[in-house]
Amino acid sequence: GAVVSQHPSRVICKSGTSVKIECRSLDFQATTMFWYRQFPKKSLMLMATSNEGSKATYEQGVEKDKFLINHASLTLSTLTVTSAHPEDSSFYICSAYRTAGNTIYFGEGSWLTVV
Amino acid sequence: SQQGEEDPQALSIQEGENATMNCSYKTSINNLQWYRQNSGRGLVHLILIRSNEREKHSGRLRVTLDTSKKSSSLLITASRAADTASYFCATDGGTYKYIFGTGTRLKVLA
Repeated sequence: GAVVSQHPSRVICKSGTSVKIECRSLDFQATTMFWYRQFPKKSLMLMATSNEGSKATYEQGVEKDKFLINHASLTLSTLTVTSAHPEDSSFYICSAYRTAGNTIYFGEGSWLTVV
Repeated sequence: SQQGEEDPQALSIQEGENATMNCSYKTSINNLQWYRQNSGRGLVHLILIRSNEREKHSGRLRVTLDTSKKSSSLLITASRAADTASYFCATDGGTYKYIFGTGTRLKVLA
């Protein structure tokens, strides 16, 4: 079964509103999680590294004020797309690093449509 | 960009044929992973190969890794229509910040 869960799997929101996507590690603690974005028929681009208890580290070109990341607990990281616009419509996916086993697990992703 | 390159970008084959996809990357790695993504769906982990391994098998999948050339290949034998999907390689670049390749869109015709 899934060890990393994302919610919601699909969401539609209106332009100008904010939407939050959750990434949970189900049976392990994850001090580090990662957020990716995928445009249609394209590859996955790393957006940021989410660190529990500290600020996220954003990749070059990713607006940190636009994509707010909060990693408030060892099992939960959230990505909030603020003041969403249609061009933010995309597939967002997270991954979580499990120390035991030295393994990365990916969530199943969240489809965001901004109308 | 540190993104890896995959080729071909698209591949169309008949059911029963073998499909080979290649991935090239730019930095030293600890391991390389292959994922499948069906249209509109999330990622499915296929196989992980470590930097000290040269070949790995899992069912109909065979993965090779050549760290001197910074390249890997994924072979799917006796392909099925259900194998139709996009396939991505992902490398860790020495950290757990995985970078994905550009992907290969495989279409298996029944």
